Amino acid sequence: GDSVTQMEGPVTLSEEAFLTINCTYTATGYPSLFWYVQYPGEGLQLLLKATKADDKGSNKGFEATYRKETTSFHLEKGSVQVSDSAVYFCALFDQGAQKLVFGQGTRLTINP
Amino acid sequence: NAGVMQNPRHLVRRRGQEARLRCSPMKGHSHVYWYRQLPEEGLKFMVYLQKENIIDESGMPKERFSAEFPKEGPSILRIQQVVRGDSAAYFCASSPDRAITSPLHFGNGTRLTVT
Repeated sequence: GDSVTQMEGPVTLSEEAFLTINCTYTATGYPSLFWYVQYPGEGLQLLLKATKADDKGSNKGFEATYRKETTSFHLEKGSVQVSDSAVYFCALFDQGAQKLVFGQGTRLTINP
Repeated sequence: NAGVMQNPRHLVRRRGQEARLRCSPMKGHSHVYWYRQLPEEGLKFMVYLQKENIIDESGMPKERFSAEFPKEGPSILRIQQVVRGDSAAYFCASSPDRAITSPLHFGNGTRLTVT
């Protein structure tokens, strides 16, 4: 079945640093791709999405581009804030199985 | 508009007891998914239900776990004779249709602790 592999964490950065969290996927066809964020003690919130190749999803300063040639959907932010500290999950929608498949999550900590 | 509502937020059970987790999907959503998050791990799919039907339970353990989504009322995930390894966060998500063009909406989860 389809699968998602994320950069292992934890990741610790200083405020205003540049962030990249790598995500690659294996899928038949062209799935929709997502980044979800989970703040401490909460559920998952959709951060951004892309539904086809070369689409760029963006929200709250975060961006990710759907790269079909490298089967990747890396998350980036130019200048992180302490409030960005959370766990980030890359996911794809498996059309065959009709469900979201998640990566293992990357814990991000931003120090002031 | 209320989001996906899960209760309880925290549930403590002794080994051998039953755990019942409830999920009320967003208004107008008839598709419900349950995921389990073990400590420091990602989310693993458990089961996908529509009203009165289990569509895909390929992620459910074969024993002790069951799920339902009745015509009226919330979806229920039931774990019988809980063991310590069942301790996890259980998340419910809903969507308005099967072939999702909009992403799943997640609840805040139920954190089950088995003592």
